[in-house]
Amino acid sequence: ELKVEQNPLFLSMQEGKNYTIYCNYSTTSDRLYWYRQDPGKSLESLFVLLSNGAVKQEGRLMASLDTKARLSTLHITAAVHDLSATYFCAVGPNSGYALNFGKGTSLLVTP
Amino acid sequence: NAGVTQTPKFRVLKTGQSMTLLCAQDMNHEYMYWYRQDPGMGLRLIHYSVGEGTTAKGEVPDGYNVSRLKKQNFLLGLESAAPSQTSVYFCASSYSWTGGLNTEAFFGQGTRLTVV
Repeated sequence: ELKVEQNPLFLSMQEGKNYTIYCNYSTTSDRLYWYRQDPGKSLESLFVLLSNGAVKQEGRLMASLDTKARLSTLHITAAVHDLSATYFCAVGPNSGYALNFGKGTSLLVTP
Repeated sequence: NAGVTQTPKFRVLKTGQSMTLLCAQDMNHEYMYWYRQDPGMGLRLIHYSVGEGTTAKGEVPDGYNVSRLKKQNFLLGLESAAPSQTSVYFCASSYSWTGGLNTEAFFGQGTRLTVV
């Protein structure tokens, strides 16, 4: 069974600071996705990582994938309030179909 | 494009009542999924379908049934609702997977269901 663990689950950070969210998974996979969810809303795709060493950046967010370590990171640079949301990582197993989600990281950026 | 559309958006049921949630996608995706989201639990897969006429159980299938009679629609049924089924339900769809191609999932806006 594929297990996906995110940490931290809750994160309060000041504007302008940097931080990293970690996503570990338990079995081999080379498909890793990051989603953002605002309160009461649906999930919005942020990044798609499909190979070892993949790195994607969008604005203040950068995601990377290390398939050998079974680890993905979502790095936040110089946080702003608009980044406050819940971030999910999801892993697609090599022998399966559906994505397995972590429990999410609830991020609050304060002035 | 509408993408993935779920109906209804909100519903309150009494224990024992039945209902069907409808999911429709206009992206010609092969795969469709139903997830439920509960506080602190992330998203858990209820059932999924890899093509028209096929369905399979996910992580938490008990108390739910599904049907995929048409490629664009995926229905989730609750035959006898229980308070434990109070949740937010998300439908998603994705492309076929062949040898490692992207299976990024696109989500509907969710259905907030309360069972009293």
